[in-house]
Amino acid sequence: AQSVTQPDIHITVSEGASLELRCNYSYGATPYLFWYVQSPGQGLQLLLKYFSGDTLVQGIKGFEAEFKRSQSSFNLRKPSVHWSDAAEYFCAVVFWAGGTSYGKLTFGQGTILTVHP
Amino acid sequence: DGGITQSPKYLFRKEGQNVTLSCEQNLNHDAMYWYRQDPGQGLRLIYYSQIVNDFQKGDIAEGYSVSREKKESFPLTVTSAQKNPTAFYLCASSLSRLDGYTFGSGTRLTVV
Repeated sequence: AQSVTQPDIHITVSEGASLELRCNYSYGATPYLFWYVQSPGQGLQLLLKYFSGDTLVQGIKGFEAEFKRSQSSFNLRKPSVHWSDAAEYFCAVVFWAGGTSYGKLTFGQGTILTVHP
Repeated sequence: DGGITQSPKYLFRKEGQNVTLSCEQNLNHDAMYWYRQDPGQGLRLIYYSQIVNDFQKGDIAEGYSVSREKKESFPLTVTSAQKNPTAFYLCASSLSRLDGYTFGSGTRLTVV
């Protein structure tokens, strides 16, 4: 079955430390991959996306993610975390069956990031 | 500026009443979506529409209904048949599967 897994429900880091949020998917073909961020009570903002080409993608706010086909992973990274990065992060995947369908975006459970000063 | 507007931001209803959540977009996107968000469960797809006058059930459509009479609008009705309607509801739209989704700021529905 197609699925998206974020193994870490909650991560705490110190300000200035590096960050890696994990995302794994289960799908037979190459998926379209996204990372979103959500502040409390708000909608979701797109951080970055991948569907082909260079497997290391750069996004907004200094985030990057690397697609590893062999590990079915798309982990999000940031070299130095700022207090304003505290939020919930969602990995999402479009599982596309082909044709003219848009496909549907399936989300992981989310990872809550806490940043200590 | 283009975007998605959800209204109201907070909504309170008595149990047994139907309620309609508004979603309007001026991005000229063909596809629109409704998600429900509960703590620890991520986002779950309720309904989606890829073209006017057509929509499809998502993973948790029971107790919900939608319409898509205009490209810009995709209202969601939470009916009395929805057993646990209290949640945060998010509307989104998309230009293509390569672009990801643009989300509204959400409506928090509380049924008492």
